[in-house]
Amino acid sequence: QVQLVESGGGLVEPGGSLRLSCAASGFTFNDYYMSWIRQAPGKGLEWISYISTGGDAIYYADSLKGRFTISRDNAKNSLYLQVNSLRAEDTAVYYCAREGHCSSSSCYYFDYWGQGTLVTVSS
Amino acid sequence: EIVLTQSPGILSLSPGERATLSCRASQSVSSNSLAWYQQKPGQAPRLLIYGASSRATGIPDRFSGSGSGTDFTLTISRLEPEDFAVYSCQQYGGSPLYTFGQGTKLEIK
Repeated sequence: QVQLVESGGGLVEPGGSLRLSCAASGFTFNDYYMSWIRQAPGKGLEWISYISTGGDAIYYADSLKGRFTISRDNAKNSLYLQVNSLRAEDTAVYYCAREGHCSSSSCYYFDYWGQGTLVTVSS
Repeated sequence: EIVLTQSPGILSLSPGERATLSCRASQSVSSNSLAWYQQKPGQAPRLLIYGASSRATGIPDRFSGSGSGTDFTLTISRLEPEDFAVYSCQQYGGSPLYTFGQGTKLEIK
């Protein structure tokens, strides 16, 4: 069955960096676009970034561009998110998610999610 | 930027009742691009509906989605105890590429 397992979260001081990882199994990883999505405590979901199957197409939410870098290693079935210059407002659960799509145009969604990894930014 | 506004923020109903949740987009969007998720405390979101009205694999038929343009609806025909959760809508294709509504909490009355 499809599994996505995030790791790499934790407590970090403001200005610090983290590299989040997502290990995928149960499907052909290099056939799917992947995204990172976060959720601050008590808040809604916020899409961060997505990466195409080969890593040649990458998009970020404009508000987060510059501090976040998405990447993938298809040989290791893994997705990554490098987060730099962390701020208190980056405190959130970070999810990786697989992008699904149907045959109709603009029909894209997230069909599988990991359980998330908590990032806490605090001194 | 396309903003999704969900209403109500909190919906209090009893098991067996019908739930109607709204998601309104700030501008017209393709109905193909609208999805709904369910999230329980401490869990990841689960895809319920994609393309505005197609149920995801394994989703019971008491869940249905409808709508077009700027107004979309998630309906749960007869609430089961396990349906009490937070529901979020999601849209693809604007800027940012994906946007989510702020969520509707469905609680037991």
